[in-house]
Amino acid sequence: QQPVQSPQAVILREGEDAVINCSSSKALYSVHWYRQKHGEAPVFLMILLKGGEQKGHEKISASFNEKKQQSSLYLTASQLSYSGTYFCGVASGTYKYIFGTGTRLKVLA
Amino acid sequence: DGGITQSPKYLFRKEGQNVTLSCEQNLNHDAMYWYRQDPGQGLRLIYYSQIVNDFQKGDIAEGYSVSREKKESFPLTVTSAQKNPTAFYLCASSIGETLNQPQHFGDGTRLSIL
Repeated sequence: QQPVQSPQAVILREGEDAVINCSSSKALYSVHWYRQKHGEAPVFLMILLKGGEQKGHEKISASFNEKKQQSSLYLTASQLSYSGTYFCGVASGTYKYIFGTGTRLKVLA
Repeated sequence: DGGITQSPKYLFRKEGQNVTLSCEQNLNHDAMYWYRQDPGQGLRLIYYSQIVNDFQKGDIAEGYSVSREKKESFPLTVTSAQKNPTAFYLCASSIGETLNQPQHFGDGTRLSIL
């Protein structure tokens, strides 16, 4: 079952904040977040692991609620470069991976 | 610099023809993956491989085949049995288990029907 993301799309002004949610019907062991620009490959943003450990390399934060089987990505003080489609990915096995429905984000000047 | 190279960038297929998409990585990653992305949609897993000479079907494997004879290479063949092959195909790799390792993606191949 594909994780469901909300909202489906969001438009922001530069400097505004946004939250993107990812909900799964299956137990989550880890959640990965990626951003994809139009026509390009997805770029890794962050991994959240069961137990609270996070791995990432950008100024973006996220939370992981194991009980609710949800993760949220927090984009603060958004920049034009944040525009793109955000996907969460969840592991449904040791190697098998399912991506979410995607959230299109547009930041306006 | 290490990375994943997909070729060609654009590919056109005639009716009844098999075509092969190339994916090569020099990251020394054990695991490799193929995804299909339709316009405005998310990524769907076609096949994945944990180690050389082993691969598993993903969610939409019908009409596709793969091989993993070398660690660096994971080619995808779109066969004539795949009736709707027009899509953006992405290859990815990871060091090991997906649970706690990110996936690294190539730049993709856009396949169209002639």
